[in-house]
Amino acid sequence: QQQVKQSPQSLIVQKGGISIINCAYENTAFDYFPWYQQFPGKGPALLIAIRPDVSEKKEGRFTISFNKSAKQFSLHIMDSQPGDSATYFCAASLGGSNYKLTFGKGTLLTVNP
Amino acid sequence: EAGVAQSPRYKIIEKRQSVAFWCNPISGHATLYWYQQILGQGPKLLIQFQNNGVVDDSQLPKDRFSAERLKGVDSTLKIQPAKLEDSAVYLCASSLDVQGFSYEQYFGPGTRLTVT
Repeated sequence: QQQVKQSPQSLIVQKGGISIINCAYENTAFDYFPWYQQFPGKGPALLIAIRPDVSEKKEGRFTISFNKSAKQFSLHIMDSQPGDSATYFCAASLGGSNYKLTFGKGTLLTVNP
Repeated sequence: EAGVAQSPRYKIIEKRQSVAFWCNPISGHATLYWYQQILGQGPKLLIQFQNNGVVDDSQLPKDRFSAERLKGVDSTLKIQPAKLEDSAVYLCASSLDVQGFSYEQYFGPGTRLTVT
């Protein structure tokens, strides 16, 4: 069964701190790993994504770290801001002709001012 | 560039009634997806279209759910008859096919369905 396991379920961070969310996958055929950010009442929005041929990707305050041997990847949010408070989902896709995303269960991030 | 449009935004129906959702993808996007997001969970794919053909409907409860994408643009998702466990947000997403690769999916705001 294709699964993506995400932790923690919820996270509280102080403004300026580092938020870290972890995901683990089982299917080694996955070849695309995006992170989505979702605010209440909105659809998920693509934040950052990585392919397994690189170990890290950084875009502004957001960094994905990827460990292919451990089948794990994580999202790091540097200098967390109250506006980052949202639910974050990791996901994985097989690619090829089927781009179906398998999502984790989500992490509710709260950044306190 | 306009995003993925969905309507209605909210719908309340009684169990055993029918309901339909509409999605208009981003212009030029060949691939369209319908996801079901139950409260507290990540989205789960129901069906994927490539132009107007079905690529994957393995997780679509075909005894009550149906979807179509006429002319390879707009799409409708129907539930008939609805059950209490169908209460969820139904998300539509689209992606652009470029030489066979279209990883980036763009989501609409969703339709929140409540079945009473």
